[in-house]
Amino acid sequence: TQLLEQSPQFLSIQEGENLTVYCNSSSVFSSLQWYRQEPGEGPVLLVTVVTGGEVKKLKRLTFQFGDARKDSSLHITAAQPGDTGLYLCMKTSYDKVIFGPGTSLSVIP
Amino acid sequence: SQTIHQWPATLVQPVGSPLSLECTVEGTSNPNLYWYRQAAGRGLQLLFYSVGIGQISSEVPQNLSASRPQDRQFILSSKKLLLSDSGFYLCAWSVHRGGRNTGELFFGEGSRLTVL
Repeated sequence: TQLLEQSPQFLSIQEGENLTVYCNSSSVFSSLQWYRQEPGEGPVLLVTVVTGGEVKKLKRLTFQFGDARKDSSLHITAAQPGDTGLYLCMKTSYDKVIFGPGTSLSVIP
Repeated sequence: SQTIHQWPATLVQPVGSPLSLECTVEGTSNPNLYWYRQAAGRGLQLLFYSVGIGQISSEVPQNLSASRPQDRQFILSSKKLLLSDSGFYLCAWSVHRGGRNTGELFFGEGSRLTVL
């Protein structure tokens, strides 16, 4: 079974702080997706990374794909309460789609 | 544009009763379809996925089953619910490009099941 690990599991920070969450796998990703999920709703796609070393920015969010394509990080600058949610990384293996356990982020005003 | 709907949104069922959750997709053809279950605040557990009509792959041994009677319809069922079946169930479809799964999933609104 190709598992995904995410850390930290829980994170509670003050508004305005920076944070980084991580996603790791023992196997190489062909591509990796980051999703955010708010309570009671389905996850929403944030970004797809494909190339080793790739960096993508989405406003205050910066996504990095490891050179070996086995890990990824999500950095949020100046976190806001609206960033609160469950951040999930995901990989595909043929037609099977596997999610990591998620990082639950709480940004306190 | 593509849309996905699942229902019911909320369900409270007694132990031993049957279950049927339905998911339909519009605006696309031959999508991959998925059923996930999620415990509170945690990641998504893949239950079933389907690459075509009548084609179901099961990921976790359980008392649940899935069917795909039509191209854009995916149904999750149980003959007898257990307490452990309680959770948030999500249906999703994925995008294909060039015959490959892009990993871009679009989710339904979710169905919260409570088994008492």
